[in-house]
Amino acid sequence: GAVVSQHPSRVICKSGTSVKIECRSLDFQATTMFWYRQFPKQSLMLMATSNEGSKATYEQGVEKDKFLINHASLTLSTLTVTSAHPEDSSFYICSATAGSEFHGYTFGSGTRLTVV
Amino acid sequence: AQSVTQPDIHITVSEGASLELRCNYSYGATPYLFWYVQSPGQGLQLLLKYFSGDTLVQGIKGFEAEFKRSQSSFNLRKPSVHWSDAAEYFCAVITDSWGKLQFGAGTQVVVTP
Repeated sequence: GAVVSQHPSRVICKSGTSVKIECRSLDFQATTMFWYRQFPKQSLMLMATSNEGSKATYEQGVEKDKFLINHASLTLSTLTVTSAHPEDSSFYICSATAGSEFHGYTFGSGTRLTVV
Repeated sequence: AQSVTQPDIHITVSEGASLELRCNYSYGATPYLFWYVQSPGQGLQLLLKYFSGDTLVQGIKGFEAEFKRSQSSFNLRKPSVHWSDAAEYFCAVITDSWGKLQFGAGTQVVVTP
């Protein structure tokens, strides 16, 4: 089946630094990737939608200059949290789908970001 | 706007007992509905989905869900739970043509011996 690899699984960084999270589709071409944020014991909140070769579309309230998303190829999307602060600490999850097939959402295993 | 509601935040069930998780949606047309399961610190795994056709959908791990348009519901069921079913369960609906998923708040399932 479709597999999405997300790295790193855990990262601790100092306040003010930037962190990059990678999301790779291993065995299919992901034309669309989604990035979610999940606070403890809460649901997933969509941050942005990225299509290969296009600028990401951010949800209302998400700072695009803080959460930089790049989807340069059909198998890789990256989320960079710039100038991270403790309030950015969260669980970030990506998902990927191929074309218009809504049947095939595959989620990464998530990244636990802790900013100290 | 499309939305999905999971009325139960937390459910405790005995191992071997049946389980039903509620999901209600708000959508004008026929919705695309999903149930996902999440173990602690992990991503999401698809249990089953409904797009059209037979309103009783079979999924993995012995789960099934029934789409009831009259009640705007898509409840998840399992006849006999196992300790490994303890997890967080999310109902989700596609909200636009890009395929954005909107998730319910989730239901935490605890399985007791």
